[in-house]
Amino acid sequence: QSALTQPASVSGSPGQSITISCTGTSSDVGGYNYVSWYQQHPGKAPKLMIYDVSNRPSGVSNRFSGSKSGNTASLTISGLQAEDEADYYCSSYTSSSTLYVVFGGGTKLTVL
Amino acid sequence: EVQLVESGGGLVQPGRSLRLSCAASGFTFDDYAMHWVRQAPGKGLEWVSGISWNSGSIGYADSVKGRFTISRDNAKNSLYLQMNSLRAEDTALYYCAKDWFGELLGWFDPWGQGTLVTVSS
Repeated sequence: QSALTQPASVSGSPGQSITISCTGTSSDVGGYNYVSWYQQHPGKAPKLMIYDVSNRPSGVSNRFSGSKSGNTASLTISGLQAEDEADYYCSSYTSSSTLYVVFGGGTKLTVL
Repeated sequence: EVQLVESGGGLVQPGRSLRLSCAASGFTFDDYAMHWVRQAPGKGLEWVSGISWNSGSIGYADSVKGRFTISRDNAKNSLYLQMNSLRAEDTALYYCAKDWFGELLGWFDPWGQGTLVTVSS
């Protein structure tokens, strides 16, 4: 069982918006602004899409946005495109034990 | 261009050891923390271990603590993972990833392409 909870799957039609949630605790998501999101296409390495809760690295489309409220972080993708179909993972810094980072279980995004 | 290239994976019997390496280029290696993240076949990402820029901070997932040892050689721009007492559940693609800062923060960018470790008799 992953430390952060994500829905197993979400779907949307081209042009629509979807939101993926990532729920943790006050020891990780709720306690720090060190939340990041990753996109992974089949057979490829993950790619950083959002860091510091809501910041986009250079080159990432502004259709991707992040936010946080309490112990839950969210990734929103607007104007869905076919190439957005992928697995998405959240992660957070954590103060638990000797761990430093925890991941969510991942969410499969299907573009209908 | 920042590049991370993992090596050292392979087929190993349960209880044996394996050492993974990650060769880094295109950035000032000793300015950044580094991590190992693994992905079992068909499963999600699992953070395995991380090491700060000067090896002053090191962390491990509970699942590997006491069996795996992370290290780095800043003179050789290289990251390592010594894996002992391997188990079938350690079978995974192991990624090397660079952090955004010198301390362990967990913003992984970029990632290598991974090296596959298969533990089986």
